Amino acid sequence: TQLLEQSPQFLSIQEGENLTVYCNSSSVFSSLQWYRQEPGEGPVLLVTVVTGGEVKKLKRLTFQFGDARKDSSLHITAAQPGDTGLYLCAGRNYGGSQGNLIFGKGTKLSVKP
Amino acid sequence: EAGVAQSPRYKIIEKRQSVAFWCNPISGHATLYWYQQILGQGPKLLIQFQNNGVVDDSQLPKDRFSAERLKGVDSTLKIQPAKLEDSAVYLCASSFRIGAEAFFGQGTRLTVV
Repeated sequence: TQLLEQSPQFLSIQEGENLTVYCNSSSVFSSLQWYRQEPGEGPVLLVTVVTGGEVKKLKRLTFQFGDARKDSSLHITAAQPGDTGLYLCAGRNYGGSQGNLIFGKGTKLSVKP
Repeated sequence: EAGVAQSPRYKIIEKRQSVAFWCNPISGHATLYWYQQILGQGPKLLIQFQNNGVVDDSQLPKDRFSAERLKGVDSTLKIQPAKLEDSAVYLCASSFRIGAEAFFGQGTRLTVV
C-alpha cells in the first residue's frame, strides 16, 4: 500500500513568517501534486512536479520534488492570512490507473494577522 | 467555464437509511472521480469512470456503495444502507482525460446519525 506522510499535521504562524511542509513516502511516484483546500470547498491544484529534483515557484510558494521522486516539500515565504488552508500532497501511480491520486492527510495551516 | 457541480451540499440521515449524491462534471471531461474525505484525512478514491465505463473501483465498499455514469456525463453515488462511519465529505472531480488535471466540486457533506 502506497502511503504519503505529511508533516507537520498542524501549523499556526504569524503573518510574515516562513514555513515548510513536507510530504514523504517510501514509494516512487510518476508525479506529485500539491493542492490547497479551504473549508467547505474542494481541493484546488497548485502545482504538479514530475522530474526528480524539480523546483517550481508560484509567487511566494516554492515546491520541490525529491531526486528519488519519493518526497516533496512546499515552502512559503512571508506567509499571509490568505494562505490559510489545508495543504494536500497527492502522488500519482506509475502503474494501474494513471488517474489514481493517493492523497496525504494534509497540513492545516493557519496564518494569523 | 462552469466547474464541477455537486448536490446536495449537505445531507443528514439516520443509520441504515439510503442516500444519493449527484455530480455534473465539466463539459467535455471524459474522466470522473468520486472521493471520500473523512474529517482530518485526505481524499480517498472510491471510483473512477472513463466515459461510462469503470476504470477503478477497488476501494469502493461494494456491499453498500454503488455508482453509475450511464450516459458518460452526470454521475450518481449511492449508499444503502448507511453506517455511522460513512460520515464524510464526498467529492466529485473530473478531468479531460486520465492523468490530466482534476477539478474538484465543492463536495457533499454527509452526516450519519
